[in-house]
Parts: sequence; structure tokens; C-alpha cells
Amino acid sequence: EDQVTQSPEALRLQEGESSSLNCSYTVSGLRGLFWYRQDPGKGPEFLFTLYSAGEEKEKERLKATLTKKESFLHITAPKPEDSATYLCAVQAPGRRALTFGSGTRLQVQP
Amino acid sequence: GAGVSQSPSNKVTEKGKDVELRCDPISGHTALYWYRQSLGQGLEFLIYFQGNSAPDKSGLPSDRFSAERTGGSVSTLTIQRTQQEDSAVYLCASSLGTSASYEQYFGPGTRLTVT
Repeated sequence: EDQVTQSPEALRLQEGESSSLNCSYTVSGLRGLFWYRQDPGKGPEFLFTLYSAGEEKEKERLKATLTKKESFLHITAPKPEDSATYLCAVQAPGRRALTFGSGTRLQVQP
Repeated sequence: GAGVSQSPSNKVTEKGKDVELRCDPISGHTALYWYRQSLGQGLEFLIYFQGNSAPDKSGLPSDRFSAERTGGSVSTLTIQRTQQEDSAVYLCASSLGTSASYEQYFGPGTRLTVT
């Protein structure tokens, strides 16, 4: 059974304090690993797709990396507007739907 | 362009009543997904539609849940005889296809409260 575990559950940072969010996964083969951002009362917003170990993608202050067992979302010099819940999901072979982790709630204080 | 829209945004219903939730996907998107998000939990897959293929209903939690997609566009999720444990945010997503290279775009969700 596909499993996705995210840590920590919640993270509070000061503005400018860089950190990383972790996503550990267990899946028989990986078609893709996805990162989404979700603001309160809204649907998830797509950030990145990673396909194979060693791959990295960047967007503004965010960088996502992938190994064979986990993915990290690195946040460099965060700003208060980066506060949100970050969700990780995987897609396994033969499956069309995504399996999501429970997310990391990030709060960045000014 | 227009994103995925869902209605209603909020629904409060009494236990035992039936409810219908609607999803309008992005125009041209052939794949449509329903997920459920309970408080503090990750998204749970319910059902997905791809073109004219038979839907994948493997995530539906009970036979009280059903969904249809008319004309390859609008979808309706129906919950019969609602129970308190059905309270959650129901999210719809659409994508150009089902390959991992096609990201899923989510609507704002319908918050269902069963009293």
C-alpha cells in the first residue's frame, strides 16, 4: 500500500529563517512526486512535480529535491506570505489518483 | 482562464438527508477527480473519471457515495443518507490527462457539515 508521511506536522519560523520540510514515501515504483501549497479555505495549489531520484526544482524561495525514499522542500529566507500548509503526494504505476500526506503547517512570523 | 469551480461552497445538512455536490472542471480537461479532506488530514481519493472510460470508484467509502460525469464535463458527487462522519471538505480536481506529467488543478472545495 502506498504511504506518504510528512514531518514536522507544524513548523514556526521567523522571517528569513531557512528550513526544510520532509516527505517520506513508500510506493512500488514512482511515477511522480508532487508538492502542493494549500491556504486556509482554498484548494491545493500545484508547486512541483519530481520524477526521479536526484531531480531538483526551484520556484522563488522554494526548492524541492527527491531521493529514492524521501523528498525535501527547502524554504530559503521565508516571508510571512509563505505561511500555508504544504502537501506532498505520490502517484504509483497503474494508479491515476494521488496519495497524499497529511501536510506540514508552516507559519512564518515577521 | 477559469479554474475548477465547485458549488455550493458550504453545505449544512441533517443526518439522514441526501446531498449533491457539483464540480465544473477546466475546459478541455479529460480527467476529473474527487477527494475528501477531513480536519487535519491529508486528501483521500474517492473517484476519478477519464474521458469515456469507466470511472475508478475504488476510493468510495461506502455505497452511499456515488458520482457521475455528464458529457465529459460537469460532475456531481451524491451522498445518500448522510452521516456525521461524512463531514469534511470535498475537493474536485481536473487535469489534461492521467499521466504524472499532467498536474491536477483543484477547486476551492465544498465544506459539508452533517448535524
